[in-house]
Amino acid sequence: NAGVMQNPRHLVRRRGQEARLRCSPMKGHSHVYWYRQLPEEGLKFMVYLQKENIIDESGMPKERFSAEFPKEGPSILRIQQVVRGDSAAYFCASRTGGTFNTGELFFGEGSRLTVL
Amino acid sequence: QQQVKQSPQSLIVQKGGISIINCAYENTAFDYFPWYQQFPGKGPALLIAIRPDVSEKKEGRFTISFNKSAKQFSLHIMDSQPGDSATYFCAAGTGTASKLTFGTGTRLQVTL
Repeated sequence: NAGVMQNPRHLVRRRGQEARLRCSPMKGHSHVYWYRQLPEEGLKFMVYLQKENIIDESGMPKERFSAEFPKEGPSILRIQQVVRGDSAAYFCASRTGGTFNTGELFFGEGSRLTVL
Repeated sequence: QQQVKQSPQSLIVQKGGISIINCAYENTAFDYFPWYQQFPGKGPALLIAIRPDVSEKKEGRFTISFNKSAKQFSLHIMDSQPGDSATYFCAAGTGTASKLTFGTGTRLQVTL
């Protein structure tokens, strides 16, 4: 029973390039969250999605960042025209919905973005 | 008002000792308080969680104490072991549908 799968695990980009981070939630999970973790800091909420819908994007920077969770395929976090300040670990988490939902978020191992 | 404050930032405890990490929140709408454990290079994993209808929850060596009036909650690790060395995050959320707000983390080192 695979957990939350994120790829790539490590990504290096030069300033101005695009970064695409992918997240496949746990089987049966239809709710996906993206968090960003800067070195020596906690996890900062970015966006919460359900299939084909953005539920809460209050933590997402207004420019350059976008997220999607299509009907088929993984959730994608896209960062356009990356800058050095985007260097961080990006974690995806998923949970189930309905009556089995306890509120627990299951995290992937993260994608570590380095911007040169 | 969405902030969760966590202390200490780092903690060194001898094997067999008690590790205590504290968190405080401001948003009275929070009703779900989990603790996550993170090892280097890994994602956070749920350790234990509590809801405000109880003041304490224990699972093995891990106990959450919750003080609703003070808006504080803490994690106690009894008989701390070297394998407990990790970063611990407290968090708070509302219901079972919303995002979690995380504390800044406590790096715990358990020495022999």
